[in-house]
Amino acid sequence: GAGVSQSPSNKVTEKGKDVELRCDPISGHTALYWYRQSLGQGLEFLIYFQGNSAPDKSGLPSDRFSAERTGGSVSTLTIQRTQQEDSAVYLCASSPTSSEAFFGQGTRLTVV
Amino acid sequence: AQSVAQPEDQVNVAEGNPLTVKCTYSVSGNPYLFWYVQYPNRGLQFLLKYITGDNLVKGSYGFEAEFNKSQTSFHLKKPSALVSDSALYFCAVRPLTSGTYKYIFGTGTRLKVLA
Repeated sequence: GAGVSQSPSNKVTEKGKDVELRCDPISGHTALYWYRQSLGQGLEFLIYFQGNSAPDKSGLPSDRFSAERTGGSVSTLTIQRTQQEDSAVYLCASSPTSSEAFFGQGTRLTVV
Repeated sequence: AQSVAQPEDQVNVAEGNPLTVKCTYSVSGNPYLFWYVQYPNRGLQFLLKYITGDNLVKGSYGFEAEFNKSQTSFHLKKPSALVSDSALYFCAVRPLTSGTYKYIFGTGTRLKVLA
């Protein structure tokens, strides 16, 4: 596809369940980012992948959050034992190394 | 700490009037600077960027931004606002510190253009 694709677009899960969010970046983009946007809030950095380098995990809020990027392309953000405060829109973006980031439509996660 | 400030939560402007959305940053060195727009239930769309060169940068939908190094500001402007410009606007910086390429976003400014 032409843009960054995220799935699912909406996810409702019960508290305590694990969820996986998927991101398909733009082909050829070496950098991939995950951000979280809570209702009415700005964007909170979660994690960043750049090529084969070790990811920058400095924004992950707890050890319940993890992410991987397989083959330098698709990325999965996993949240274990979800809590209500995890409810937010999770945005993925990709970019060439020295240019602007292109964002997906986001996954709206609701923990009930 | 590196940060981006958007001092106005909301900006109201009449259609046809000029608009300004403010952004200042606190980042060492000469970062890349960006503006994004977000429409309801959508992801962020890129508007424009400053890398180097002319301080006045032109972008999509008639928007432009002025980089001011001494004031560390990157205000978004448009000469004549449209109702369809109503959206949430984010300023972002990407520090050029070796080893990191993450974008730091402001908290966003909601622009409301009144007919």
